[in-house]
Amino acid sequence: SQQGEEDPQALSIQEGENATMNCSYKTSINNLQWYRQNSGRGLVHLILIRSNEREKHSGRLRVTLDTSKKSSSLLITASRAADTASYFCATDDNYGQNFVFGPGTRLSVLP
Amino acid sequence: DTGVSQDPRHKITKRGQNVTFRCDPISEHNRLYWYRQTLGQGPEFLTYFQNEAQLEKSRLLSDRFSAERPKGSFSTLEIQRTEQGDSAMYLCASSYRDGTEAFFGQGTRLTVV
Repeated sequence: SQQGEEDPQALSIQEGENATMNCSYKTSINNLQWYRQNSGRGLVHLILIRSNEREKHSGRLRVTLDTSKKSSSLLITASRAADTASYFCATDDNYGQNFVFGPGTRLSVLP
Repeated sequence: DTGVSQDPRHKITKRGQNVTFRCDPISEHNRLYWYRQTLGQGPEFLTYFQNEAQLEKSRLLSDRFSAERPKGSFSTLEIQRTEQGDSAMYLCASSYRDGTEAFFGQGTRLTVV
């Protein structure tokens, strides 16, 4: 089954800097979602981007999708310590029935 | 309705015991998903429902696992004869329909001792 793979596995930045995380997947998708997870907590939905979209914004978040390269990126601008979390991309499976997650990027924002 | 809720939040059980978790999805959502997540990994799909029908089950869902969604509302996930390898966070999510955002609950953390 296809799977999103986030890159890098871990990222450490200073508060105020921008953070960029990438997600690659293997086969065609209908949509891709990004989630945030604080340690030991549930997943918080950030953005859904459809295969016919190239870019979406939500507050300090910017997501891009390049279907020709089968990749997506999540940019967090002006990062804050509260952004420290794991970030996951999830792609729909071959049948569009459920979501397949990658192993995540662990972001640390240092004050 | 404030979102997907799961109960209990934490469960410690002895090996060999049965456990049952409950998930209440967002009320207008007809899709409900169960995932399992171990430390440092992404969530792994277990099963999903479209209303009351269980439409797909992962090979991770052994015979000891059973999920139900009576009347297409809340769902339960039961694990029989628990093993230490079942220790994980069990996450429930719901969505309105195919291709829309899926929202997750806070999860139930299971520890099998």
